[in-house]
Amino acid sequence: QKEVEQNSGPLSVPEGAIASLNCTYSDRGSQSFFWYRQYSGKSPELIMFIYSNGDKEDGRFTAQLNKASQYVSLLIRDSQPSDSATYLCAVQNYGGSQGNLIFGKGTKLSVKP
Amino acid sequence: EPEVTQTPSHQVTQMGQEVILRCVPISNHLYFYWYRQILGQKVEFLVSFYNNEISEKSEIFDDQFSVERPDGSNFTLKIRSTKLEDSAMYFCASSSDTSSGANVLTFGAGSRLTVL
Repeated sequence: QKEVEQNSGPLSVPEGAIASLNCTYSDRGSQSFFWYRQYSGKSPELIMFIYSNGDKEDGRFTAQLNKASQYVSLLIRDSQPSDSATYLCAVQNYGGSQGNLIFGKGTKLSVKP
Repeated sequence: EPEVTQTPSHQVTQMGQEVILRCVPISNHLYFYWYRQILGQKVEFLVSFYNNEISEKSEIFDDQFSVERPDGSNFTLKIRSTKLEDSAMYFCASSSDTSSGANVLTFGAGSRLTVL
């Protein structure tokens, strides 16, 4: 059974701080890794994806991937109250299934003004 | 920005009835998907569709479910003989290609199905 694990939170950080969200996955065949943001009652919204070991930065967001440890993280710098949402980690066995994403349960982030 | 459009946004139905959820994927996308999310639970893959046929389906996607691309723009999910446990948010997604190291899915706003 392919699993994606996330701490459900809530993770509470003050405005302007760095929020660190973590995710582990069980399938070593996973090749691509995604972070989605989901507001309550809304659909997942892509933040960024990563498929090479190391860091990838996009504005205030940095994704980090360590395939040996089967670990992916998302850092949010200068957190804003509008960042308060549930963050979903998803993994993809890119070659085999043309897009089947396996999602974690998500980490709820609360940014306090 | 191109978007995936889903209708209806909310459907209430009686147990045992059939429902059809509709999706208009992004126009130049080739891969189409349905996911569902039961309230408070994780987003779960149902089925992927490419070149007018199912490319992969999950254990959830049993004979109760079917998908169709009846014309060049719509992609539908049919749920026959609905059960209480089918109550969920159903998300349609589409993607353009698999050549960039990752197959990036764009999700629609979802259709909330309530089975009474």
